Amino acid sequence: DVKVTQSSRYLVKRTGEKVFLECVQDMDHENMFWYRQDPGLGLRLIYFSYDVKMKEKGDIPEGYSVSREKKERFSLILESASTNQTSMYLCASSWGKNEQYFGPGTRLTVT
Amino acid sequence: GENVEQHPSTLSVQEGDSAVIKCTYSDSASNYFPWYKQELGKGPQLIIDIRSNVGEKKDQRIAVTLNKTAKHFSLHITETQPEDSAVYFCAASKTGNQFYFGTGTSLTVIP
Repeated sequence: DVKVTQSSRYLVKRTGEKVFLECVQDMDHENMFWYRQDPGLGLRLIYFSYDVKMKEKGDIPEGYSVSREKKERFSLILESASTNQTSMYLCASSWGKNEQYFGPGTRLTVT
Repeated sequence: GENVEQHPSTLSVQEGDSAVIKCTYSDSASNYFPWYKQELGKGPQLIIDIRSNVGEKKDQRIAVTLNKTAKHFSLHITETQPEDSAVYFCAASKTGNQFYFGTGTSLTVIP
């Protein structure tokens, strides 16, 4: 079974803090994704990566950056957390143009 | 970019009845349409998908239909059971790198 793990299930941070969300997949997938999920808005793509050190902006990249130094690991960085970044963050991975496998999510609260 | 609309946002059915969720998409180049089920506290999980060279696909109690001309696709769940209660998301993709998700349908199956 494909396994996508995320470093934290719940996270509480203060406004202005730098936040790191980590995602690891164990199936040698080339593609990895970060989404945020908000009620009534569905899943919105923040960034994706199709190879090590490669990244592409999604629909809502503002206020976020990413890092992919190893194939199995994709990190989402909030440079200076703000209250409007309170959300559920989902990581996913896929191989080629196939289905995405999602992690359990990290619920981030910024106070 | 692609725009995926999903209806209804909430759906309640009696156990044993059928449930239908509908999605429309805007980009005629989209060619892959997955459906995900998200249970409380978990990440979305693929339940069925369809590619644009196929009009219908079935897997036990779940079926998906695709009308490319009208640019809409639907999820059909027959003989619903309480464990089908969850949030369901449709998505569309043309590249396999970017997926556009609907806003989700919260399905409740009443025993």
